[in-house]
Amino acid sequence: DVKVTQSSRYLVKRTGEKVFLECVQDMDHENMFWYRQDPGLGLRLIYFSYDVKMKEKGDIPEGYSVSREKKERFSLILESASTNQTSMYLCASSLHGPAAFFGQGTRLTVV
Amino acid sequence: ILNVEQSPQSLHVQEGDSTNFTCSFPSSNFYALHWYRWETAKSPEALFVMTLNGDEKKKGQISATLNTKEGYSYLYIKGSQPEDSATYLCAFGSGSGNTGKLIFGQGTTLQVKP
Repeated sequence: DVKVTQSSRYLVKRTGEKVFLECVQDMDHENMFWYRQDPGLGLRLIYFSYDVKMKEKGDIPEGYSVSREKKERFSLILESASTNQTSMYLCASSLHGPAAFFGQGTRLTVV
Repeated sequence: ILNVEQSPQSLHVQEGDSTNFTCSFPSSNFYALHWYRWETAKSPEALFVMTLNGDEKKKGQISATLNTKEGYSYLYIKGSQPEDSATYLCAFGSGSGNTGKLIFGQGTTLQVKP
């Protein structure tokens, strides 16, 4: 079974803090993705990566950066957290093509 | 701006009822249509990937159809059970398809009462 694991289920951070959301997959997948989900909206793609050290902007990259130093790990970084980044964050992976396997989500609250 | 719409937003049915909901997507530059099921406190799970006009897919009591010419897909659940309670997401993939980029609808949340 493919497993995509996000480091935290719930996080509370203060405005201005640097926040790291970690995601690890155990199936040697090439592609990894970060989405956010907000009430009444579909999942929106923040960043994705096709390979180690490779990243591409999704639809809403502003305020975020990512890191993929190892194939199995894809980190989402909020350089200076703001209240409008309070959201559910989902990591996903796939061998090829779009997101196939998702993590359980991290609910981030920025106060 | 590409838009994917799902209706209804939420649905409450009794155990044993059959139900269906809709995903509307752009009919141009179609590559694939994905359905996912997202149960509360769990990870979204891929249900179907549909690529050809007229495709029908089935998994247990859940099935889906695809009309790429008019830009819609239906998801059907026959004889709903409480364990079918979840949010059902559809996502549209365009262009070459291997870019990995999907546009998601906002989801249909189904509650099945015992």
